[in-house]
Amino acid sequence: DTAVSQTPKYLVTQMGNDKSIKCEQNLGHDTMYWYKQDSKKFLKIMFSYNNKELIINETVPNRFSPKSPDKAHLNLHINSLELGDSAVYFCASSLGQGYSPLHFGNGTRLTVT
Amino acid sequence: GENVEQHPSTLSVQEGDSAVIKCTYSDSASNYFPWYKQELGKRPQLIIDIRSNVGEKKDQRIAVTLNKTAKHFSLHITETQPEDSAVYFCAASITGANNLFFGTGTRLTVIP
Repeated sequence: DTAVSQTPKYLVTQMGNDKSIKCEQNLGHDTMYWYKQDSKKFLKIMFSYNNKELIINETVPNRFSPKSPDKAHLNLHINSLELGDSAVYFCASSLGQGYSPLHFGNGTRLTVT
Repeated sequence: GENVEQHPSTLSVQEGDSAVIKCTYSDSASNYFPWYKQELGKRPQLIIDIRSNVGEKKDQRIAVTLNKTAKHFSLHITETQPEDSAVYFCAASITGANNLFFGTGTRLTVIP
C-alpha cells in the first residue's frame, strides 16, 4: 500500500558506472519530482514532470536523465557516476503543480566509491 | 531564484518546552510556505503549510506564523515530546508544490 515507492533503497557502485533508480506512485498524482539530499541534509529539486512532460530541470549535469513512461512513473538514469553524486535521492509526487503536499518516497541512498 | 535561510541548524529542548524554528525568504512573490518533518532514516513528510493570504495557522501543538513584510515565517511546536525529535525543513515557493525551495533544515532534539 506504499504511496510512492522507489527502488533500490541502497545503491553502491563505482565511479564511471551507469545506474538507474525507479519510482512509482499509486496516488493518482500527475506531477512527479526528483530531489537530491546531500550529506548535510540539504534538499534540492532536480526535475519536475507533469503528465510525463518535463516542467523543471534545475542546474543538473546532463549525466542525469529522467524518464517518465507514464504519469505514475518517473525513473532517473545516471551516467558516468562521480564521487559527488553520492547522496540520498528522493522521488516525490503531488496532485497538480499547485498548493498540494509533496509525497516523498523512502529515498535511495547512492554511494559512489 | 528564491533563497531560503533557516535557523537554528540544531535545537535541543526539554520535553514539555516549546521549540521555535525560523526561516527567511528572498523573493517577495513567494506565497506558499510548507514545513516538512524528516525522522531519522525516513522520508520528509508535510506537517503544516501556510499560504500568504493568512498570517497564522495552527494544528494542535504546531503553529506557523508568516510575516510577509519582513519575509520570514516560523514554526512553533508547543509541549514538545520525544517523538517530535527530527529534522524540520521549511520551504517557499511562488507556484506551490512545483519548484519548492527548501531551507537547510533544523535538527530538533527533545530531551526526555
